[in-house]
Amino acid sequence: DQQVKQNSPSLSVQEGRISILNCDYTNSMFDYFLWYKKYPAEGPTFLISISSIKDKNEDGRFTVFLNKSAKHLSLHIVPSQPGDSAVYFCAASAYNFGNEKLTFGTGTRLTIIP
Amino acid sequence: ETGVTQSPTHLIKTRGQQVTLRCSSQSGHNTVSWYQQALGQGPQFIFQYYREEENGRGNFPPRFSGLQFPNYSSELNVNALELDDSALYLCASSRGGGNYGYTFGSGTRLTVV
Repeated sequence: DQQVKQNSPSLSVQEGRISILNCDYTNSMFDYFLWYKKYPAEGPTFLISISSIKDKNEDGRFTVFLNKSAKHLSLHIVPSQPGDSAVYFCAASAYNFGNEKLTFGTGTRLTIIP
Repeated sequence: ETGVTQSPTHLIKTRGQQVTLRCSSQSGHNTVSWYQQALGQGPQFIFQYYREEENGRGNFPPRFSGLQFPNYSSELNVNALELDDSALYLCASSRGGGNYGYTFGSGTRLTVV
């Protein structure tokens, strides 16, 4: 049962344009959401997160939007740069008294075209 | 500040064998979590260790076991290897229990033949 879904395995975007990566979840107990970026031969790197009490969080070129009623979140990157080419994972967790685990989606491979 | 280091980086084992993967946590971090990433999938939670005790476990059989040492480094042991155990094994460390402020290592690529 895939509780976190990233339905687009890949996305290509022109440099300078906006990249929008989407993520859906099914578990209503999830209260914290994160995006990770992964380059080949490296571990995932934390990018940005959002708590379920917010609907938007911004950090520089990266903005995450959360729509709890639709159980949907998205990551916006603007403007997109060649260094943004990587696999992006959406992850979610539910508060569990310090025993939280991350549930990851299957990832979206973003390619920025120069 | 050193990051999370994992060893070895690559490993090939035969079905039925046992394997031990190692992880040194980032300085100042006392929690280590292990994840398995199969090809084309996202990382899946195996278990977490906090202050040398298992602090949560995912849907993995008992032949997946772990240890955390007083210096907060950790081992993942897998017995009776199966072909489906072939994956990238990621270690992540953090400060305190839970998942806040995870730092991932680069992983160990295990191939079972």
